Amino acid sequence: AQSVTQPDIHITVSEGASLELRCNYSYGATPYLFWYVQSPGQGLQLLLKYFSGDTLVQGIKGFEAEFKRSQSSFNLRKPSVHWSDAAEYFCAVGAGGAAGNKLTFGGGTRVLVKP
Amino acid sequence: GAGVSQSPSNKVTEKGKDVELRCDPISGHTALYWYRQSLGQGLEFLIYFQGNSAPDKSGLPSDRFSAERTGGSVSTLTIQRTQQEDSAVYLCASSLTGNSNQPQHFGDGTRLSIL
Repeated sequence: AQSVTQPDIHITVSEGASLELRCNYSYGATPYLFWYVQSPGQGLQLLLKYFSGDTLVQGIKGFEAEFKRSQSSFNLRKPSVHWSDAAEYFCAVGAGGAAGNKLTFGGGTRVLVKP
Repeated sequence: GAGVSQSPSNKVTEKGKDVELRCDPISGHTALYWYRQSLGQGLEFLIYFQGNSAPDKSGLPSDRFSAERTGGSVSTLTIQRTQQEDSAVYLCASSLTGNSNQPQHFGDGTRLSIL
Protein backbone atom coordinates (compact mmCIF):
# COMPACT_ATOMS: atom_id res chain seq x y z
CA ALA A 1 0.00 0.00 0.00
CA GLN A 2 1.18 3.48 -0.69
CA SER A 3 2.12 5.93 2.04
CA VAL A 4 3.29 9.53 2.26
CA THR A 5 5.42 11.11 4.96
CA GLN A 6 5.84 14.80 5.59
CA PRO A 7 8.52 14.97 8.29
CA ASP A 8 7.92 18.59 9.29
CA ILE A 9 4.67 19.33 11.12
CA HIS A 10 5.36 23.07 11.41
CA ILE A 11 7.73 25.39 9.59
CA THR A 12 8.20 29.07 10.34
CA VAL A 13 9.78 31.23 7.66
CA SER A 14 10.36 34.95 7.29
CA GLU A 15 8.60 36.78 4.49
CA GLY A 16 10.90 36.95 1.49
CA ALA A 17 12.91 33.91 2.54
CA SER A 18 12.95 30.64 0.65
CA LEU A 19 10.78 27.69 1.62
CA GLU A 20 11.24 23.96 1.18
CA LEU A 21 8.70 21.38 2.31
CA ARG A 22 9.73 17.74 2.40
CA CYS A 23 7.71 14.81 1.15
CA ASN A 24 8.69 11.15 1.00
CA TYR A 25 6.48 8.50 -0.50
CA SER A 26 6.26 4.76 -0.67
CA TYR A 27 4.67 3.27 -3.77
CA GLY A 28 5.32 0.14 -5.78
CA ALA A 29 5.00 1.61 -9.25
CA THR A 30 5.50 4.96 -10.91
CA PRO A 31 3.80 7.39 -8.59
CA TYR A 32 1.37 10.11 -9.41
CA LEU A 33 2.34 12.90 -7.01
CA PHE A 34 0.53 16.04 -5.96
CA TRP A 35 0.94 19.03 -3.68
CA TYR A 36 -2.16 20.73 -2.30
CA VAL A 37 -2.54 23.82 -0.13
CA GLN A 38 -5.32 24.41 2.39
CA SER A 39 -6.15 27.78 3.91
CA PRO A 40 -8.19 27.84 7.13
CA GLY A 41 -11.82 26.86 6.63
CA GLN A 42 -11.31 26.03 3.00
CA GLY A 43 -10.85 22.98 0.85
CA LEU A 44 -7.67 21.87 -0.85
CA GLN A 45 -6.24 23.70 -3.85
CA LEU A 46 -3.92 21.90 -6.24
CA LEU A 47 -0.50 23.54 -6.49
CA LEU A 48 1.16 21.13 -8.89
CA LYS A 49 1.35 17.52 -10.01
CA TYR A 50 3.87 15.05 -11.36
CA PHE A 51 3.01 12.14 -13.62
CA SER A 52 6.05 11.58 -15.82
CA GLY A 53 8.67 13.41 -17.83
CA ASP A 54 10.60 16.37 -16.52
CA THR A 55 11.31 15.81 -12.85
CA LEU A 56 11.10 19.52 -12.02
CA VAL A 57 7.51 20.68 -12.20
CA GLN A 58 6.19 24.19 -11.97
CA GLY A 59 2.96 25.05 -10.25
CA ILE A 60 0.80 27.98 -9.35
CA LYS A 61 1.72 30.79 -6.98
CA GLY A 62 5.43 30.48 -7.80
CA PHE A 63 5.83 26.96 -6.37
CA GLU A 64 7.89 24.18 -7.88
CA ALA A 65 8.63 20.61 -6.89
CA GLU A 66 11.30 18.11 -7.82
CA PHE A 67 10.71 14.39 -8.16
CA LYS A 68 13.69 12.27 -7.11
CA ARG A 69 13.03 8.59 -7.66
CA SER A 70 16.27 7.49 -5.98
CA GLN A 71 15.23 9.26 -2.77
CA SER A 72 11.49 8.61 -3.08
CA SER A 73 10.98 12.31 -2.56
CA PHE A 74 8.88 15.07 -4.02
CA ASN A 75 9.90 18.25 -2.20
CA LEU A 76 8.09 21.53 -2.68
CA ARG A 77 9.97 24.81 -2.96
CA LYS A 78 9.36 28.50 -3.30
CA PRO A 79 12.22 31.00 -3.71
CA SER A 80 10.55 33.90 -1.88
CA VAL A 81 7.63 33.46 0.49
CA HIS A 82 4.77 35.93 0.76
CA TRP A 83 2.60 36.38 3.84
CA SER A 84 -0.31 34.89 1.88
CA ASP A 85 1.56 31.58 1.67
CA ALA A 86 0.77 30.89 5.32
CA ALA A 87 -1.37 27.74 5.14
CA GLU A 88 -1.18 23.99 5.48
CA TYR A 89 0.44 22.01 2.70
CA PHE A 90 -0.29 18.40 1.83
CA CYS A 91 1.66 16.02 -0.33
CA ALA A 92 -0.33 13.16 -1.86
CA VAL A 93 0.19 10.09 -4.02
CA GLY A 94 -2.49 8.79 -6.37
CA ALA A 95 -3.29 5.12 -6.79
CA GLY A 96 -3.99 5.38 -10.49
CA GLY A 97 -5.22 2.69 -12.82
CA ALA A 98 -8.53 0.94 -12.36
CA ALA A 99 -8.66 2.09 -8.75
CA GLY A 100 -9.28 5.59 -9.92
CA ASN A 101 -7.13 8.29 -8.47
CA LYS A 102 -7.97 8.03 -4.81
CA LEU A 103 -5.31 9.96 -2.99
CA THR A 104 -3.21 9.03 -0.01
CA PHE A 105 -2.13 12.15 1.86
CA GLY A 106 0.75 12.97 4.11
CA GLY A 107 0.08 14.45 7.52
CA GLY A 108 0.56 17.99 6.31
CA THR A 109 3.01 20.79 7.08
CA ARG A 110 1.72 24.01 8.56
CA VAL A 111 3.65 27.04 7.34
CA LEU A 112 3.79 30.22 9.40
CA VAL A 113 5.17 33.37 7.79
CA LYS A 114 6.86 36.00 9.96
CA PRO A 115 6.76 39.61 8.80
CA GLY B 1 -20.59 28.71 -9.14
CA ALA B 2 -18.15 26.62 -11.09
CA GLY B 3 -16.58 24.76 -8.17
CA VAL B 4 -17.52 21.80 -6.00
CA SER B 5 -20.28 22.78 -3.61
CA GLN B 6 -20.83 21.11 -0.25
CA SER B 7 -23.66 21.59 2.22
CA PRO B 8 -24.10 22.27 5.01
CA SER B 9 -20.81 24.01 5.74
CA ASN B 10 -21.21 23.20 9.43
CA LYS B 11 -23.31 20.61 11.20
CA VAL B 12 -23.68 20.06 14.92
CA THR B 13 -25.67 17.08 16.07
CA GLU B 14 -26.14 14.85 19.07
CA LYS B 15 -24.53 11.47 19.40
CA GLY B 16 -26.76 8.75 17.99
CA LYS B 17 -28.45 10.92 15.38
CA ASP B 18 -28.17 10.34 11.63
CA VAL B 19 -26.65 13.00 9.37
CA GLU B 20 -26.59 13.59 5.63
CA LEU B 21 -23.87 15.55 3.88
CA ARG B 22 -24.30 16.75 0.33
CA CYS B 23 -21.83 17.25 -2.50
CA ASP B 24 -22.56 18.90 -5.81
CA PRO B 25 -19.61 18.25 -8.15
CA ILE B 26 -18.41 20.34 -11.03
CA SER B 27 -20.75 19.92 -13.98
CA GLY B 28 -19.53 17.22 -16.36
CA HIS B 29 -17.16 15.58 -13.88
CA THR B 30 -17.71 11.83 -13.86
CA ALA B 31 -15.52 10.99 -10.88
CA LEU B 32 -16.45 11.94 -7.32
CA TYR B 33 -14.53 11.29 -4.11
CA TRP B 34 -15.25 11.67 -0.41
CA TYR B 35 -12.45 12.21 2.10
CA ARG B 36 -12.44 12.78 5.84
CA GLN B 37 -10.07 15.14 7.61
CA SER B 38 -9.70 14.66 11.35
CA LEU B 39 -7.13 15.67 13.94
CA GLY B 40 -6.15 12.16 14.79
CA GLN B 41 -6.16 10.55 11.35
CA GLY B 42 -5.34 13.33 8.91
CA LEU B 43 -6.88 13.13 5.45
CA GLU B 44 -8.40 9.76 4.62
CA PHE B 45 -10.10 8.43 1.51
CA LEU B 46 -13.66 7.22 2.10
CA ILE B 47 -15.40 6.36 -1.17
CA TYR B 48 -15.08 6.87 -4.93
CA PHE B 49 -17.72 7.02 -7.65
CA GLN B 50 -16.94 6.77 -11.35
CA GLY B 51 -19.77 7.06 -13.83
CA ASN B 52 -22.19 4.16 -13.55
CA SER B 53 -19.64 1.75 -12.11
CA ALA B 54 -20.01 0.25 -8.66
CA PRO B 55 -18.44 2.61 -6.13
CA ASP B 56 -15.16 1.85 -4.40
CA LYS B 57 -16.18 1.76 -0.74
CA SER B 58 -12.86 0.51 0.56
CA GLY B 59 -12.25 3.55 2.75
CA LEU B 60 -15.53 3.62 4.66
CA PRO B 61 -14.65 3.12 8.34
CA SER B 62 -17.78 1.22 9.39
CA ASP B 63 -21.17 0.07 8.15
CA ARG B 64 -22.69 3.20 9.70
CA PHE B 65 -21.27 5.09 6.72
CA SER B 66 -22.88 4.96 3.29
CA ALA B 67 -22.98 7.12 0.21
CA GLU B 68 -24.91 7.35 -2.98
CA ARG B 69 -24.67 9.33 -6.15
CA THR B 70 -27.90 9.96 -7.96
CA GLY B 71 -27.98 10.51 -11.70
CA GLY B 72 -24.21 10.62 -11.86
CA SER B 73 -24.14 14.04 -10.27
CA VAL B 74 -25.02 14.97 -6.69
CA SER B 75 -23.74 12.70 -3.94
CA THR B 76 -24.93 12.24 -0.38
CA LEU B 77 -22.79 10.81 2.42
CA THR B 78 -24.90 9.42 5.27
CA ILE B 79 -23.65 8.60 8.74
CA GLN B 80 -26.06 6.64 10.92
CA ARG B 81 -26.02 6.58 14.71
CA THR B 82 -23.23 9.14 14.88
CA GLN B 83 -20.42 8.74 17.38
CA GLN B 84 -18.08 11.38 18.76
CA GLU B 85 -15.19 9.96 16.75
CA ASP B 86 -17.13 10.88 13.59
CA SER B 87 -16.40 14.55 14.30
CA ALA B 88 -14.28 15.74 11.39
CA VAL B 89 -14.32 17.78 8.21
CA TYR B 90 -15.78 15.83 5.31
CA LEU B 91 -14.36 16.86 1.96
CA CYS B 92 -15.76 16.08 -1.45
CA ALA B 93 -13.75 16.25 -4.66
CA SER B 94 -14.54 15.70 -8.31
CA SER B 95 -12.48 15.21 -11.44
CA LEU B 96 -13.28 15.11 -15.12
CA THR B 97 -12.62 11.37 -15.22
CA GLY B 98 -11.13 8.85 -12.83
CA ASN B 99 -7.84 8.81 -14.73
CA SER B 100 -4.77 9.58 -12.71
CA ASN B 101 -3.84 12.55 -14.89
CA GLN B 102 -7.01 14.37 -13.95
CA PRO B 103 -6.64 16.68 -10.95
CA GLN B 104 -9.22 16.54 -8.19
CA HIS B 105 -11.08 19.73 -7.33
CA PHE B 106 -12.13 19.99 -3.71
CA GLY B 107 -15.08 21.65 -2.05
CA ASP B 108 -14.71 23.63 1.17
CA GLY B 109 -15.97 20.72 3.24
CA THR B 110 -18.61 20.11 5.88
CA ARG B 111 -17.41 20.47 9.46
CA LEU B 112 -19.29 17.87 11.51
CA SER B 113 -19.36 18.11 15.28
CA ILE B 114 -20.92 15.36 17.38
CA LEU B 115 -21.92 16.39 20.89
